[in-house]
Amino acid sequence: DSGVTQTPKHLITATGQRVTLRCSPRSGDLSVYWYQQSLDQGLQFLIQYYNGEERAKGNILERFSAQQFPDLHSELNLSSLELGDSALYFCASGPDTEAFFGQGTRLTVV
Amino acid sequence: SQKIEQNSEALNIQEGKTATLTCNYTNYSPAYLQWYRQDPGRGPVFLLLIRENEKEKRKERLKVTFDTTLKQSLFHITASQPADSATYLCAFRDSNYQLIWGAGTKLIIKP
Repeated sequence: DSGVTQTPKHLITATGQRVTLRCSPRSGDLSVYWYQQSLDQGLQFLIQYYNGEERAKGNILERFSAQQFPDLHSELNLSSLELGDSALYFCASGPDTEAFFGQGTRLTVV
Repeated sequence: SQKIEQNSEALNIQEGKTATLTCNYTNYSPAYLQWYRQDPGRGPVFLLLIRENEKEKRKERLKVTFDTTLKQSLFHITASQPADSATYLCAFRDSNYQLIWGAGTKLIIKP
């Protein structure tokens, strides 16, 4: 158990819809990272938050947004969903020297 | 931009042999490199970190080397077992605190 909690584990939704993925980092970790991993692809960095502030941005689509709340949990919002958004979405937290990943949310857009 | 390259082809190794995976990086000189293991459908799990001033790091059957001249890290698993079959990823943190990831190499250990 990495200590990072993601909900839900699975999500099936229709094209055009909006979903919210949730992440609770390890106790004491201020950073939260979001990644997308499509089938048989590498990890694509989306965005990082540190103590409530956006710290780094990767290849995140304009239809996607995220935030980190005062209690340090984070939410990733995906809107106007397309079939190509189907993927595993991972959240991670940890110090600079080691990332702890959650179990991921498997999103299927139909 | 900074980049990491790992062999995209799967590596097939006979059980008991040593598996060696390669990670090459460009356009940056990281202070340290990290190695992770990822099983299908699961999040990566941290294995080892090696700093630029360390030539070699060991943990049980795992060994990592770091050659800053070649801009390369090698990851070795000795006495490999079928349970070692997974995708292995290397990563480094750039000056913007972003973790730069390789695409990973799939390792298959055959009994």
